Amino acid sequence: DQQVKQNSPSLSVQEGRISILNCDYTNSMFDYFLWYKKYPAEGPTFLISISSIKDKNEDGRFTVFLNKSAKHLSLHIVPSQPGDSAVYFCAASLGTSGSRLTFGEGTQLTVNP
Amino acid sequence: EPEVTQTPSHQVTQMGQEVILRCVPISNHLYFYWYRQILGQKVEFLVSFYNNEISEKSEIFDDQFSVERPDGSNFTLKIRSTKLEDSAMYFCASSELEGGLGGELFFGEGSRLTVL
Repeated sequence: DQQVKQNSPSLSVQEGRISILNCDYTNSMFDYFLWYKKYPAEGPTFLISISSIKDKNEDGRFTVFLNKSAKHLSLHIVPSQPGDSAVYFCAASLGTSGSRLTFGEGTQLTVNP
Repeated sequence: EPEVTQTPSHQVTQMGQEVILRCVPISNHLYFYWYRQILGQKVEFLVSFYNNEISEKSEIFDDQFSVERPDGSNFTLKIRSTKLEDSAMYFCASSELEGGLGGELFFGEGSRLTVL
């Protein structure tokens, strides 16, 4: 199942700088997109989401951008903090047609002090 | 802060044995889910449950799997006859709204199943 893909398995940034995590999808029927963060030995934790009718959603240090024509979304974290070090999963949903989330492979973000 | 709790945190079982994984969703949530993550692979949807019945299931969720909400608080996943390939981390989740409508899913910490 390659419908949601995160091509970068890892990303390393310096504290205070911007982290940009990318996600691509192939199913144009996806209507809702989410980012989850996961620490080792914990379940995924919801971070931020965006509906397909928007192209940007911001919540504090986290901003998600959606480019529907490119079937691409990204998560920006500014400024990055060491506590942000975790695996970040992109997920997509078909919206009103169902509740299934389709996840990407995840990107391990490391923020260095 | 309310949370989804799962037990056991780790279970080791022999191939062919039955396993029951338990979850207590957040109390006012209406939708319940099981996902799993095989080591090194993606988090995969197994099943969603609403109003005491399955609302959607994936191709993974075959006849060996079943879910139940036996007492109004617990939500269980049963694997009738475990196979080696069932070894994975199983995550329970719940939401107030249907996840596809923008309802945030709250995940538990997971139950690691090891089948020998």
